[in-house]
This record gives sequence, C-alpha cells and structure tokens, in this order.
Amino acid sequence: GQQLNQSPQSMFIQEGEDVSMNCTSSSIFNTWLWYKQDPGEGPVLLIALYKAGELTSNGRLTAQFGITRKDSFLNISASIPSDVGIYFCAGQGGTSYGKLTFGQGTILTVHP
Amino acid sequence: GAGVSQSPSNKVTEKGKDVELRCDPISGHTALYWYRQSLGQGLEFLIYFQGNSAPDKSGLPSDRFSAERTGGSVSTLTIQRTQQEDSAVYLCASSSLDRGRIYSNQPQHFGDGTRLSIL
Repeated sequence: GQQLNQSPQSMFIQEGEDVSMNCTSSSIFNTWLWYKQDPGEGPVLLIALYKAGELTSNGRLTAQFGITRKDSFLNISASIPSDVGIYFCAGQGGTSYGKLTFGQGTILTVHP
Repeated sequence: GAGVSQSPSNKVTEKGKDVELRCDPISGHTALYWYRQSLGQGLEFLIYFQGNSAPDKSGLPSDRFSAERTGGSVSTLTIQRTQQEDSAVYLCASSSLDRGRIYSNQPQHFGDGTRLSIL
C-alpha cells in the first residue's frame, strides 16, 4: 500500500530557530495536508495543499506541494515554545478517495 | 458543539469483551472517517463513510471490527471480542464534500479520540 516517509523523526531546537520537515511518497497524491497533534488531543489542521507546485503560508508556517506530487515540506520560522508537539504530513486522493495516508510524525521540542 | 465529538474519551475493558465507540461529526459534514493511532505511531485509516454508506472499509483489521453510520450523522465503531493488540487511540474525523475536486473532500477535522485499553 501507499506509504509516507516523514523526516526527521524528532527535532530539538532553540526558541527562535527555523524548522524544516518533509514527507516523500512512493505514490502520487492529489492533496497534501499538515497536522499538529498535542498530547491527549486529535490532530489539528495547519495547512492544506491542493495543487502541484503550490506554496502556501499560514503565519509562521510555510508548506509546499512537490511538483512530482510525491512530496511536501513544512517550514516553521522563528519557533516559539508553543510550537512543541507532533507534526504529521498526510496525503489524500490518488486511487482511494477520502482516506488520508499519514507519515510517522515529527516530534518537535523547543527549548526556551 | 462546533467540533467533532467522541465518546467515551477513555475506555478500559477486559480482553474478550465487546466495545462501542461513538463519533458525532461536525454538523453538515457528509464524510466521516475512523482512524487508529497506536502509541508513538502515525494514524492508520480504518473506514470511510459518505452519508450512511461506506465506500472504503479497506482498513478494518479483522472481521471483529465493524462500523455503522445512521442518519448521515452519528457513527459507531464496534470491536467484538477485544484483544490486547486492539489497545490504541481511535480517532474520528469529518469533512464536507468538495464537488470541485475529483477523489477529494475538504480537509478532515478530527475529534480528540477514544483511548482504548484492553487488559
């Protein structure tokens, strides 16, 4: 089945630093999404990307939908302590509409 | 409420018992999804509903797992004869149908999940 490889698995950074994480897939997707999950809560949508090559920003977050439709990255600029959490990429579409295929997650720790 | 609501938030039960997990989607959302998240892992798709029908149930791990949706709203995920490997967080998500995109719905919004522990 489809698999997403997300990297890095974890990151330890200082407050104020920029962060970059990415996902690659063996199959193409029609939509890429990035979610953040805090402990004990469900994933919260950060950014949705619908078109190959699309670059979208949401505050300090920037994400891109790769031109091959098999990859995406998420950047966080000027990190703050509340950015701590687990970030997931997810792909939707292709041969199985509806369902999301998730990456394994990136655990982000921000030191004040 | 405004978001996806799941109940119970926590469930502890003995191996072999049946459990029912409930999901109330966002009002007006026609699509509903169930996922499972094991400790430290990403989310694993279980089943997708569009209205009351399930066009994709490919992620259900065994015939002990079933789900239904009634009235195009509330959904129940049932696990029969629970096993210890069923222990996980079960997450529900909903979205509206995007008629402008083939094979795609609007982004999915998640509930906070049911944490299931099988003793």
